[in-house]
Amino acid sequence: DAGITQSPRHKVTETGTPVTLRCHQTENHRYMYWYRQDPGHGLRLIHYSYGVKDTDKGEVSDGYSVSRSKTEDFLLTLESATSSQTSVYFCAINDITDYYGYTFGSGTRLTVV
Amino acid sequence: LAKTTQPISMDSYEGQEVNITCSHNNIATNDYITWYQQFPSQGPRFIIQGYKTKVTNEVASLFIPADRKSSTLSLPRVSLSDTAVYYCLVDPGGRYSTLTFGKGTMLLVSP
Repeated sequence: DAGITQSPRHKVTETGTPVTLRCHQTENHRYMYWYRQDPGHGLRLIHYSYGVKDTDKGEVSDGYSVSRSKTEDFLLTLESATSSQTSVYFCAINDITDYYGYTFGSGTRLTVV
Repeated sequence: LAKTTQPISMDSYEGQEVNITCSHNNIATNDYITWYQQFPSQGPRFIIQGYKTKVTNEVASLFIPADRKSSTLSLPRVSLSDTAVYYCLVDPGGRYSTLTFGKGTMLLVSP
């Protein structure tokens, strides 16, 4: 969707290496989210942010950290990638003051080998 | 957090009306009912949200009975491009709430 971009779109990395995924928005929305999607599990929330430097853990936060130093950027870091973190990662944004639902990015397909 | 239950899959043909029902027996007073659509290799897309009675937009209608323990997403005259996964969610709203996705309903539209 226009207004939210994820990078990279695809990445293959080795077990044990750190990986950072970036979510960038141009909508100036306060709320941002990271989800992962796996077959049989649907989408699960990893971390979310309700403002600069304000973040909180979601359902499956172990092994992940996030940072939000600017409104427009929300970074997801896998400190030491494992094969279980092979997944499709989606970022989403939300403006609760004018609700039109979450807007999701196009996703990052991460493969850990 | 209210749990939702919806069919795993549904089949339809082009031009038919499709109704996907979702149950949310433990919905709280302040919760909204929200539906998303997801195509393969894309992120989910917001379709419609409602609190009670009926809501209609250019894409779908949402019917919510008075007890709010279920809701029905209605897609009029589906086409092949409506083949997707449809998620029913209960949205608590509020500043620090988040959305919990279930496994959704896989709708397959055939010619």
